[in-house]
Amino acid sequence: AQSVTQPDIHITVSEGASLELRCNYSYGATPYLFWYVQSPGQGLQLLLKYFSGDTLVQGIKGFEAEFKRSQSSFNLRKPSVHWSDAAEYFCAVNDYKLSFGAGTTVTVRA
Amino acid sequence: ETGVTQTPRHLVMGMTNKKSLKCEQHLGHNAMYWYKQSAKKPLELMFVYNFKEQTENNSVPSRFSPECPNSSHLFLHLHTLQPEDSALYLCASSQETSGSSYNEQFFGPGTRLTVL
Repeated sequence: AQSVTQPDIHITVSEGASLELRCNYSYGATPYLFWYVQSPGQGLQLLLKYFSGDTLVQGIKGFEAEFKRSQSSFNLRKPSVHWSDAAEYFCAVNDYKLSFGAGTTVTVRA
Repeated sequence: ETGVTQTPRHLVMGMTNKKSLKCEQHLGHNAMYWYKQSAKKPLELMFVYNFKEQTENNSVPSRFSPECPNSSHLFLHLHTLQPEDSALYLCASSQETSGSSYNEQFFGPGTRLTVL
């Protein structure tokens, strides 16, 4: 069965600084990978997805993620964080259903 | 309305009450899902419906009873809940479920449930 690990529970970053969120997955075949964001009081919004092709994926809101098969990772990055990026971020892998990581909470300080 | 909507957004109920959560998707999808999101825990998949048929029940207690009358609507009927059932309940939809293919899910805003 597939599983997802997000090693960082909470990250604090200064506005304008870069952000990287880690995601490791366990899955036997080629995974379908997703990053979702959840703002307070809201549902989950898809940031980006990977299922084949170029290993560097561009998403919405200036986010990108890189799939590294050798490291079983799918880390999310943003070069310059805005205060509105404060939220909880979830990595997920899909087989016939989505399995989510526990999430990483991002706090942005002024 | 667009996307996936859920009502009510907030619900407070006693342990002896009966209430229902409603989800509606306006995306023309054929699969719908209920998730439970508790603090500090990963999202838990509860139920999956594909073309109105339940395809997964993830060992959910019988005090939670789903209903899917058509591909656009999904309900979660609640009765004799426990305080530990307090959580955010999220509904999602996708084009369909499939054995091994990519399956992007679209989420509603959730219903924040508090059981007293």
